[in-house]
Amino acid sequence: AQSVTQLGSHVSVSEGALVLLRCNYSSSVPPYLFWYVQYPNQGLQLLLKYTSAATLVKGINGFEAEFKKSETSFHLTKPSAHMSDAAEYFCAVTGNQGGKLIFGQGTELSVKP
Amino acid sequence: AAGVIQSPRHLIKEKRETATLKCYPIPRHDTVYWYQQGPGQDPQFLISFYEKMQSDKGSIPDRFSAQQFSDYHSELNMSSLELGDSALYFCASSLRDQWGPLETQYFGPGTRLLVL
Repeated sequence: AQSVTQLGSHVSVSEGALVLLRCNYSSSVPPYLFWYVQYPNQGLQLLLKYTSAATLVKGINGFEAEFKKSETSFHLTKPSAHMSDAAEYFCAVTGNQGGKLIFGQGTELSVKP
Repeated sequence: AAGVIQSPRHLIKEKRETATLKCYPIPRHDTVYWYQQGPGQDPQFLISFYEKMQSDKGSIPDRFSAQQFSDYHSELNMSSLELGDSALYFCASSLRDQWGPLETQYFGPGTRLLVL
């Protein structure tokens, strides 16, 4: 069975500050991990994905995430927050055969001016 | 680039009515997934199709059915609608990688269903 836990349903940062959104996974098989972003009233947009090629994954809009097997984590970071980063962020996992995504509960990111 | 198309974008129905949601995947994508996202919740997997055959099934009520057609578009049919069916329904498409499971799901904008 697979699951994802996102720590913190709401995160608030100041513009220009570091963004850190936490995700821990549980998987009985080597996982594929994803971060998606959802802007209000919009669909899910892929930010980045981990597929075992490299543990540090760079995505769009300056985001990156590091896969740490020892910690079963896949935290999302961005060095400097921008107002346009305000959105809901979902971490998701799927097994090494692909297939359905199992999502975390989501983290709402607010960016203060 | 072409994206996943869903129609309608918004739908209002009464209890016990039926609804049909449509999904048009990215051209050449052969796999379609349906997810349901309740208010303030994470998306929950409903059902998926690969090459027009059901490939996986999640927490989809028996009142719902779906299929994938020869042109790869998919329809989610919902009957005897209940208030709790009010949600955002996403369709995602992907291309099964011939060399492994390296597929990425691309999501449509969703259909917002409101049951009154």
